[in-house]
Amino acid sequence: DGGITQSPKYLFRKEGQNVTLSCEQNLNHDAMYWYRQDPGQGLRLIYYSQIVNDFQKGDIAEGYSVSREKKESFPLTVTSAQKNPTAFYLCASSRVTGTGAYEQYFGPGTRLTVT
Amino acid sequence: AQSVTQLGSHVSVSEGALVLLRCNYSSSVPPYLFWYVQYPNQGLQLLLKYTSAATLVKGINGFEAEFKKSETSFHLTKPSAHMRDAAEYFCAVSGAAGNKLTFGGGTRVLVKP
Repeated sequence: DGGITQSPKYLFRKEGQNVTLSCEQNLNHDAMYWYRQDPGQGLRLIYYSQIVNDFQKGDIAEGYSVSREKKESFPLTVTSAQKNPTAFYLCASSRVTGTGAYEQYFGPGTRLTVT
Repeated sequence: AQSVTQLGSHVSVSEGALVLLRCNYSSSVPPYLFWYVQYPNQGLQLLLKYTSAATLVKGINGFEAEFKKSETSFHLTKPSAHMRDAAEYFCAVSGAAGNKLTFGGGTRVLVKP
């Protein structure tokens, strides 16, 4: 079955620690995305990547970092610089056109709690 | 720049009644529009999408949406609500290079028996 996997489902960390969230896809999609979801605020784009070894900041990139060394993988690191890291994090992927016609497919999410 | 407004953060409907979720967008380019559904603690699942082929779009689970350019709207409807429709629904717009989606704030649907 093709799809997107995110691990772990729940993650707990102490304040001041960096933490890396995993995202893997076997859909052969070129583009991958990371979103943050907070209650009542919809989804906000953190980073996205359209091709291996290249990525761009989204709307709320401060305190986060990513890498795209393989087409299938797009890990997100939440650094200690992120002021309010507790949230639900969603990874997505899509094919790419210049027009935005392709839908994004989402993983099941990782709920990060930092105390 | 693109933006999406979903009117009503919460909607309550009776089982069997019409579901109507409102979405208005702004886009500087011809838009592609999407509706997603999210069940608690899960990712988003695509319900339907508008990509200019037809203004009335049918999706999964009995949902449909109509693109109205003059009203810049893409409202989602279902004639008869079922208990399993209780979820959060997101409208999104794309049109920029890179397939970036801009999401609305979401509408949580409660279905009363």
